[in-house]
Amino acid sequence: DIELTQSPRTLSLSPGQRATLSCRASRSVSSSTYLAWYQQKPGQAPRLLIYGASNRASGIPDRFSGSGSGTDFTLTISRLEPEDFAVYYCQQYGRSVWTFGQGTKVEVK
Amino acid sequence: QVHLVQSGAEVKKPGSSVRVSCKTSGGSLSSDAISWVRQAPGEGLEWLGGIIPIFNTANYAQKFLGRVTISTDAPPTTAYMVLSSLRSDDTAVYFCAKSAGFGASAKSYMNVWGNGTTVIVSS
Repeated sequence: DIELTQSPRTLSLSPGQRATLSCRASRSVSSSTYLAWYQQKPGQAPRLLIYGASNRASGIPDRFSGSGSGTDFTLTISRLEPEDFAVYYCQQYGRSVWTFGQGTKVEVK
Repeated sequence: QVHLVQSGAEVKKPGSSVRVSCKTSGGSLSSDAISWVRQAPGEGLEWLGGIIPIFNTANYAQKFLGRVTISTDAPPTTAYMVLSSLRSDDTAVYFCAKSAGFGASAKSYMNVWGNGTTVIVSS
């Protein structure tokens, strides 16, 4: 199975700042871009943010952007809004067995 | 808008089995895939497996092979996940999630999620 390693595990930032989250795969993700990003807030189900490494899901603000291919992927939040403080997970679907990263918590500094 | 509604919380004894259901409202699952993802208290997300009803094909994470069974009814409006030989570390919230693709496919991202079902395993 492909292992996904997210870094940092915790990101302490202030509203208005830029957040850069990393997701590294142990092997190349099939077709290079079969990677998604999800946001999860306490007590809620995850919400799809990005699919295909760089495509925003329906209704997702354009301050969220994804990039990368192969083994290295990045989620960027250009200017943090109060509602963006949450945990973010990457997930690969480039194999028949899917896997998640361990998550990055974006917290208020 | 499709919604996924899951069954209620369960408390189970170690060694027993649990069945969690996931019913779609606003459509059927005939062309979609359903995955099951769990989250232990304070932990991250873990994919258990998924099924695509139209092909009656399921994939499972290696860790859960032999212990988890995912199925659907016919016509597919409800998906089921049965986890057997329960242990205390199976205590978690179990989510179902829908994707338009299955396996290694461009549409295999999970874009609709259920509300979650808490399963507590305790003697």
